[in-house]
Amino acid sequence: SQQGEEDPQALSIQEGENATMNCSYKTSINNLQWYRQNSGRGLVHLILIRSNEREKHSGRLRVTLDTSKKSSSLLITASRAADTASYFCATAMFSGGYNKLIFGAGTRLAVHP
Amino acid sequence: SQTIHQWPATLVQPVGSPLSLECTVEGTSNPNLYWYRQAAGRGLQLLFYSVGIGQISSEVPQNLSASRPQDRQFILSSKKLLLSDSGFYLCAWSNDRGYGYTFGSGTRLTVV
Repeated sequence: SQQGEEDPQALSIQEGENATMNCSYKTSINNLQWYRQNSGRGLVHLILIRSNEREKHSGRLRVTLDTSKKSSSLLITASRAADTASYFCATAMFSGGYNKLIFGAGTRLAVHP
Repeated sequence: SQTIHQWPATLVQPVGSPLSLECTVEGTSNPNLYWYRQAAGRGLQLLFYSVGIGQISSEVPQNLSASRPQDRQFILSSKKLLLSDSGFYLCAWSNDRGYGYTFGSGTRLTVV
């Protein structure tokens, strides 16, 4: 079953604008990760935030985590046409001897020049 | 550096035919290995994971099986494909420290 649910399902913005995607989950987690997928390609790991962290930055990416609300957000600042892709959150829970990663359905981001 | 190879990139198979998708990892030892399936426009569903040679766990009942004959080799198989097996199959690996997964480039399987 899906653990993470992304919102919105699709987002269309102009270059230079900021894009915010949200993710909600249901159970306790070890960490939450965000991935990017270009059409028809594999997923690329963007950023990982641990359950004891509240905010993390990487370049133009900013991720927040609110464990009390079981939610996370991914902010992409000053978006570019090359940011067009699907973005997935994934929650990691330690189960069966490893960190099991469960993905949400993703947000499709379109950045228009 | 670590790399992951997955092949083939695309595959069209008739219903009832067998399937074998292969994934290999280089540059690391004893990785955790995973097979995911992605339906069109959807998220990823975990099919199998393996924490060591010969150790396979299945997440969902299905028409597929997985094997890990070598430390860095993970194979997804089926004896008889169904139409519902169509999808985008992704292999991934991770280490024990719970960092991010590294994904292969995927195989698009169409069962006709």
